[in-house]
Formats: sequence, structure tokens, C-alpha cells
Amino acid sequence: AQSVAQPEDQVNVAEGNPLTVKCTYSVSGNPYLFWYVQYPNRGLQFLLKYITGDNLVKGSYGFEAEFNKSQTSFHLKKPSALVSDSALYFCAVRDMGATSGTYKYIFGTGTRLKVLA
Amino acid sequence: DTGVSQNPRHKITKRGQNVTFRCDPISEHNRLYWYRQTLGQGPEFLTYFQNEAQLEKSRLLSDRFSAERPKGSFSTLEIQRTEQGDSAMYLCASSFRQGISGRWETQYFGPGTRLLVL
Repeated sequence: AQSVAQPEDQVNVAEGNPLTVKCTYSVSGNPYLFWYVQYPNRGLQFLLKYITGDNLVKGSYGFEAEFNKSQTSFHLKKPSALVSDSALYFCAVRDMGATSGTYKYIFGTGTRLKVLA
Repeated sequence: DTGVSQNPRHKITKRGQNVTFRCDPISEHNRLYWYRQTLGQGPEFLTYFQNEAQLEKSRLLSDRFSAERPKGSFSTLEIQRTEQGDSAMYLCASSFRQGISGRWETQYFGPGTRLLVL
């Protein structure tokens, strides 16, 4: 079964510093990986995805993620954090299921990012 | 606004009452998903439609839950005889099928309906 793990409940970083939010995955077959951000009392906003191709994926708001097959990781990164980046971040994997045609996502438990001014 | 919309945004109800939520997906998106998110957790899949057909249901979806997408556009999620454990954020997402495998699809989420059962 597909799964993702976000080992950190919270990450604190100073404004202007680089940030990393960690995600590891476990899949059978090719991984389809996603990052979403959630602001308070809001739905999830899509940031970026890895399907195939370059291991470094660029997404919205200056975020990028590095796919590492050997370490089964898909860490979210940003070179310079902003206070406005403070939110809850979710890593997700598309569940390929036992049969074709399964499209649901399996989400991690989330990492709260706090960017300190 | 052409994103996914959900109504109501908040619902407070008493235990035992029925509630219904509505989701309007991005137009022309043929897939629609319902997830449930409890405090401190990531969203958990409930069910999914392709056009009007409900193709998958999670074991989380007890007999008290029913979802419909009658014309392949908007969807409703009904919870009968609500229990306090049903209190959660209910999220709807939609996507557009691309290609045979659909691997390029991205799900876009609505703002959610927050349910509180007293």
C-alpha cells in the first residue's frame, strides 16, 4: 500500500533563511507525489507535483521539491522563507491501488511551518 | 471565481440530525472527490466520482453517509443521524481526466465545510 510520512510536526525558520519540509514515501511502482499548503480555515492549495522527469520540481510561490528515488524522499524547499509562508504543509501520494483506475490521494499528517520575523 | 466551491462553509448541528453538503467542482472537471480532515490529521479519502458514477468508496464511509453526483456536475454529501465523531472538515476536490493513465491529473480542493456535531 502507498503511504507518505512527514517526520516533523513543526518546522521553525527565520525569515530570509532557506526552508526544508521533509516527506518520505513508500509506493509500489512509480510514485506520483504532490505538495499542498493549507492556511487556517481554508482548503488545500496545490503547490507542485512530481510525475516523471527532472528530480527538481518547481512550483508556486517560489517553492520547489527534490525527488530522491534512492532515499524515497520528496522534500519541499524554498531558498528564502517569508513570514507569509507560515502554514500547514501536506505531502501526498496518488494511490495506485490494487487495480487500475484508483485516483485517490493519500496524505501525510502535515507539517506546520512557522517563519519567524 | 472558477475554483471549487463548497456550501455551507460551516455547519453546527445536534447529534442525530441529518446534514447535507454541496460541492461545485471546476467546470469541465469530470472527476470529483470527497475527503474528511480531522484536527491534526491529513485529509482522508471518502469517495470519488467520474462523471455521475461513484467508482470508489472508502471503508470510512459508513451506511450513514451517502454521496451523489446526479448530473455529473455538482455533488452532495449527506450524513444521516450525525454523531459527535462526524465533526470534521469535509473537503471536496475535482480533477480533469487526462490521457489513459491519468497520471498527469492534479486535484484542486475547495475551501471545505466544517461540521460541528453537538
